[in-house]
Amino acid sequence: NAGVTQTPKFQVLKTGQSMTLQCAQDMNHNSMYWYRQDPGMGLRLIYYSASEGTTDKGEVPNGYNVSRLNKREFSLRLESAAPSQTSVYFCASSPDRGLYQPQHFGDGTRLSIL
Amino acid sequence: AQSVTQLDSHVSVSEGTPVLLRCNYSSSYSPSLFWYVQHPNKGLQLLLKYTSAATLVKGINGFEAEFKKSETSFHLTKPSAHMSDAAEYFCADSGTYKYIFGTGTRLKVLA
Repeated sequence: NAGVTQTPKFQVLKTGQSMTLQCAQDMNHNSMYWYRQDPGMGLRLIYYSASEGTTDKGEVPNGYNVSRLNKREFSLRLESAAPSQTSVYFCASSPDRGLYQPQHFGDGTRLSIL
Repeated sequence: AQSVTQLDSHVSVSEGTPVLLRCNYSSSYSPSLFWYVQHPNKGLQLLLKYTSAATLVKGINGFEAEFKKSETSFHLTKPSAHMSDAAEYFCADSGTYKYIFGTGTRLKVLA
């Protein structure tokens, strides 16, 4: 049972380059999330998709775009990477976006912007 | 405003001694509280969740947490630490449908 799969696991970019982080879940969950994790700051929500066909901004959306391609897949795009976007990015999913809903996480993408 | 505060950024214990990781929440609504663990280079894994059915919640790997409304706390405990418990632990609240994570507590277990 794969759960949440993120690709790539590591990436180094130059400032101004673009890239898309991929995420897929096989648990038939409705809701999906993108977070970034920085030292001492916990996890901060970038974007989420409560259900297929919808996306909404989270706490730190600037510089990012997302696409909910279908129920399984939720991608995160950096159009013009900046050093401030160096971080570890986690994708997560949950059955629905409601109370008592635990989130299931992928193993992360470690992204460095030079 | 909804917030989650983990009171210690680092905790060190000796193997075989009790573990206490502290979490306080602030929510205008009934909280929906979780503890997650993160091992190096891995994503977060659910340890336990509070669902209002019981104030003492048992999780995986011998961990448990007690919900205390009067103290707005949801501290994580384990009677006897194991070397494999060394990791970072996150408290979270989804009480207003918005998931808020604490900043994490790194647990070090000394041999």
